[in-house]
Amino acid sequence: GAGVSQSPSNKVTEKGKDVELRCDPISGHTALYWYRQSLGQGLEFLIYFQGNSAPDKSGLPSDRFSAERTGGSVSTLTIQRTQQEDSAVYLCASSLVGTGKDIQYFGAGTRLSVL
Amino acid sequence: AQSVTQLDSQVPVFEEAPVELRCNYSSSVSVYLFWYVQYPNQGLQLLLKYLSGSTLVKGINGFEAEFNKSQTSFHLRKPSVHISDTAEYFCAVIPPSGTYKYIFGTGTRLKVLA
Repeated sequence: GAGVSQSPSNKVTEKGKDVELRCDPISGHTALYWYRQSLGQGLEFLIYFQGNSAPDKSGLPSDRFSAERTGGSVSTLTIQRTQQEDSAVYLCASSLVGTGKDIQYFGAGTRLSVL
Repeated sequence: AQSVTQLDSQVPVFEEAPVELRCNYSSSVSVYLFWYVQYPNQGLQLLLKYLSGSTLVKGINGFEAEFNKSQTSFHLRKPSVHISDTAEYFCAVIPPSGTYKYIFGTGTRLKVLA
């Protein structure tokens, strides 16, 4: 596609429910990133996928968070047993190869509200 | 470890006035530096980046930034802002080797007033 696509754009859920957030990266981009944008706290790295390599999950805040990337393309971020502190905008980005010089292209994000 | 400080959480400025958004970083190694802009309900878009070479970097929409190694700063400037520049601006760093993780500042909300 022309850009990084994320769905849904908004998600309201009840505390304790599971949610799935989807990211479609730019076609041909081998690297995919998830970030969390919380109010007043900037962007926090969550997880990184590069090709067929094992993902870097070092930024995931708890074991309630997981992500997968199927076929080297679409990625799903899953949050189990959501808590109110999970409320944030979740941003996905992709880049061509995943080096430091690479420009990361961001989607518009999914705004998650946990009631 | 690297860190990025954007001291100004909000900057109001009148249309056609100049603006400077401040970014300071802390790192024991050289870094790549980036400025991203986020318009309402949109993702982040790259404004400009410094990898090496000339310390004055020009970006899109008339923005520029200057890398100052001695002051560990990478301030963003525009000589004359427009209403359409109202957005949130993020400074980010990344070490040149072995990593791909941006370290972002907390952002500066630029509000351009008519």
